[in-house]
Amino acid sequence: EIVLTQSPGTLSLSPGERATLSCRASQSVNSNHLAWYQQKPGQAPRLLFYEVSSRAAGIPDRFSGSGSGTDFTLTISRLEPDDFAVYYCHQFGASLPYTFGQGTNLEI
Amino acid sequence: VQLQESGPGLVRPSETLALTCTVSGGSISHYYWSWLRQSPGKGLEWIGYIHHTGTSNYNPSLKSRLTISVDTTKSQFSLKLASVTAADTAVYYCARGGWSLEDWGQGTLVTVSS
Repeated sequence: EIVLTQSPGTLSLSPGERATLSCRASQSVNSNHLAWYQQKPGQAPRLLFYEVSSRAAGIPDRFSGSGSGTDFTLTISRLEPDDFAVYYCHQFGASLPYTFGQGTNLEI
Repeated sequence: VQLQESGPGLVRPSETLALTCTVSGGSISHYYWSWLRQSPGKGLEWIGYIHHTGTSNYNPSLKSRLTISVDTTKSQFSLKLASVTAADTAVYYCARGGWSLEDWGQGTLVTVSS
C-alpha cells in the first residue's frame, strides 16, 4: 500500500499570502496518477487537480500542482478567504488500494 | 452530473450495510463510479469502483465483505458491505470517476450500533 504523508498538518496564513502544501508518497506514484482535493466543513471533497497538474473545471489559476515520483506540491499563489479548507492528496497508481493523505488544514 | 446517496443511517453490528447512489444529469453508461468513506479515525478511504459493463475494483481490505453493483436502467449503483462493525461507521460518499473523482454526492452518515 502506498502511504501518502502530507505536511504540514496545519498551515496558518493570511489572505494574500502564498501557501505551499506537500504530499510525499512511500513509493513512486505510477504515471503521475495523483490528484488534489479541497474539502470544507460539512461538504464533500472537490477535485482541484488530476494527473498532478491538470486543473479541474472551474479551478482558478491561483492554484497549481506540481511534482513527480514521490514528491508532490499544491501551491496557492494568493490566498483568498474562500481557500481556507482542508486539502487532500490522492494516489491511484498501479497497486491497490488507492489511498489518500491525512490532509493539510489551511487556516487563517 | 449530480449524485445522491440513499440508505439507512443506522445498521446493527454483523448486519449488511446497503447504500444506493442515484445519478442524474448525465449517463451512467459513460463513466466509472466510485464509493468512498470518511471517518475521524481513518480519514478518507477508497472503497471501490465499478463501470457500467460490470468491471470493478475493490479495496483489498474490504473485498471479502464488499459488493458494488450497477443498474443502468435506474441510473443507480450500489454498495453492500457485510458483517459490519463499529469500525465501519463513517460518512459514505459516491463519486463519478474510477481514479480522480470529478463529482461527489453530499455524503450520508452511516452509524453501526446496536
